[in-house]
Amino acid sequence: AQSVTQLDSQVPVFEEAPVELRCNYSSSVSVYLFWYVQYPNQGLQLLLKYLSGSTLVKGINGFEAEFNKSQTSFHLRKPSVHISDTAEYFCAVSVLNQGGKLIFGQGTELSVKP
Amino acid sequence: KAGVTQTPRYLIKTRGQQVTLSCSPISGHRSVSWYQQTPGQGLQFLFEYFSETQRNKGNFPGRFSGRQFSNSRSEMNVSTLELGDSALYLCASRDGTGDGDTIYFGEGSWLTVV
Repeated sequence: AQSVTQLDSQVPVFEEAPVELRCNYSSSVSVYLFWYVQYPNQGLQLLLKYLSGSTLVKGINGFEAEFNKSQTSFHLRKPSVHISDTAEYFCAVSVLNQGGKLIFGQGTELSVKP
Repeated sequence: KAGVTQTPRYLIKTRGQQVTLSCSPISGHRSVSWYQQTPGQGLQFLFEYFSETQRNKGNFPGRFSGRQFSNSRSEMNVSTLELGDSALYLCASRDGTGDGDTIYFGEGSWLTVV
């Protein structure tokens, strides 16, 4: 079975500081990896995804993530955050041959303070 | 292109009643999936439909059901509502059936059961 663990439930950070949101996954088969963002009272928006190839993936809004197969991690980073990045971030895996089914982590609440 | 559209956005129901939620996918998308989001359980996959057929189902009781119409629009129904069914119900769509497809989410339907 697949599972996703987001290691921090809340991450407070000051504006213009770098941030890393950590995600580990467990799977006995190959998976695809995703990061989604959810702003208050809204649905989920895809930030980036890893399917194959380069382990460094660049996404929207200046975010990037690095896939590490040996550590089964897919951490999300941004070198300089803005107030507008305040939101909840979800890491997810797509189960092989069950493409419409995403397994999500519990989410990390990023709070950017001025 | 319009995004995934869900109606109604907010609704309040009484325990024991039933509810039907509606979803219109992005134009051209033939796969529709549904997720439940609660503070305690997080984001959980309910089911996915493709070409009017259920392709995959999550671990929810039979009170949760869905269907897809020939125009790809989908509905989900919850019968005999329980207090624990209070949640944000998210509909999502994708244009194919591949495991790495991007899944696009609607803004959700907020269901409160009293």
